Amino acid sequence: EAGVTQFPSHSVIEKGQTVTLRCDPISGHDNLYWYRRVMGKEIKFLLHFVKESKQDESGMPNNRFLAERTGGTYSTLKVQPAELEDSGVYFCASSQVRGIGTEAFFGQGTRLTVV
Amino acid sequence: AQSVTQLDSHVSVSEGTPVLLRCNYSSSYSPSLFWYVQHPNKGLQLLLKYTSAATLVKGINGFEAEFKKSETSFHLTKPSAHMSDAAEYFCVVRLMNTGFQKLVFGTGTRLLVSP
Repeated sequence: EAGVTQFPSHSVIEKGQTVTLRCDPISGHDNLYWYRRVMGKEIKFLLHFVKESKQDESGMPNNRFLAERTGGTYSTLKVQPAELEDSGVYFCASSQVRGIGTEAFFGQGTRLTVV
Repeated sequence: AQSVTQLDSHVSVSEGTPVLLRCNYSSSYSPSLFWYVQHPNKGLQLLLKYTSAATLVKGINGFEAEFKKSETSFHLTKPSAHMSDAAEYFCVVRLMNTGFQKLVFGTGTRLLVSP
C-alpha cells in the first residue's frame, strides 16, 4: 500500500513567486492534515480537511496560504506571494478515522526555500 | 495550554549503549502522547503512543517509553543503540478525545550513533 506522497520534495523559489505543494494521502483516508516546520522551530499544525471540507484552518499563518482538496482526494497548498519566512518543511499527514488511538501517517515533507 | 519540551537538541551514544531521549509535557487534561521518528529524506514514522492504558508503552525497533504523571514525563528509551537508530525524534502531545488535529510537537532531538 502506498504511503502519503508529497510533491515536490524540494522547491527553491524567489520571494514574490508562487509555489504549489501537493499531497496525495493514503487511499481511503478522509482526514488530511498539513503541518509546517520552520527552521529551528517545532512542527506546527496548519489545517485539517475531512474529505473536501476544511475542518480546522486555525493554524494557517495568513491569507497568502490557500489549501484545497477538490473531490476529497489529493490536496494542494499554495503560497502566493511567497515570503522569506515561508521557508521550511511542509508535512502532510492522513488518517482514516479520528479517535484516541488513531495513527496519522506522514509524508516525507516538501522542503521549501524562498530566496 | 498543551506543550512538550524535549530537553536535548542532540544526543550522542555509542552503538550498543542505552538510549535516553527526554520529554516533559504540559497539559490541563489527560494527554495522549506519541513519539515519532524521522530518518533522513523520510516521512515521520510513529514509534509508539500512550493513550491512558498501560503506562509503559512498547514501540517498534525495541523502543519503549514510560508515562509518569507525577513527573509529567514521557521519556523514550532503548537498551542498546543500533547505527540505524540515528535519526531525529519528536515527542508529541494531543489532547484526549479531541481528534487528531493540532498535535503539539516538541522541537526534536537528533540522535547520533557512533560505531
